[in-house]
Amino acid sequence: GQQVQQSPASLVLQEGENAELQCNFSSTATQLQWFYQSPGGSLVSLLSNPSGTKHTGRLTSTTVTKERRSSLHISSSQTTDSGTYLCAIPRNMGYKLTFGTGTSLLVDP
Amino acid sequence: DPKIIQKPKYLVAVTGSEKILICEQYLGHNAMYWYRQSAKKPLEFMFSYSYQKLMDNQTASSRFQPQSSKKNHLDLQITALKPDDSATYFCASSPGINTLYFGAGTRLSVL
Repeated sequence: GQQVQQSPASLVLQEGENAELQCNFSSTATQLQWFYQSPGGSLVSLLSNPSGTKHTGRLTSTTVTKERRSSLHISSSQTTDSGTYLCAIPRNMGYKLTFGTGTSLLVDP
Repeated sequence: DPKIIQKPKYLVAVTGSEKILICEQYLGHNAMYWYRQSAKKPLEFMFSYSYQKLMDNQTASSRFQPQSSKKNHLDLQITALKPDDSATYFCASSPGINTLYFGAGTRLSVL
């Protein structure tokens, strides 16, 4: 079945530093998505990026579909960015997502 | 205000018992889902419903039964609970294929 690998597994930054998170997937993804899971567990969709580069606020995602990889760049990190970042790709139909194990980000003040 | 309400937030059950996890969404979406997140495992798709009809079931065990009494409700009944069922269960909904909106989850512990 489809697999989603994320790296690094965890990352510690000082506030203001940038973060680069990686996602590799085993099959062509039509609607790769990035999610944020807060330390309390709540899940929020950050952006959908099937290919190319997309920006939202301090987040930039670049997906190279042919190479089956996507990255999420967080600029000028803040302590409130701490949490787990999950990459997900749809299986067959778009509503069924396969998630990676996530990158746990800790931003120290 | 949360648009997807899951109840209860925490649930403790004994092995062999039965519990129902409640989910109501107020986003007007026709598609609803259940996902499960166990310790140290990725978030895992369980069920999808569209217009109150089961569209997909990726859960091997029949002990997990979704129930949709209304268009914006998708409850999850779990019978004969086992310790391995301990996880956080997330309800979600979507307007299409691009975005999922998640509830806050129900954290289930089976003793």
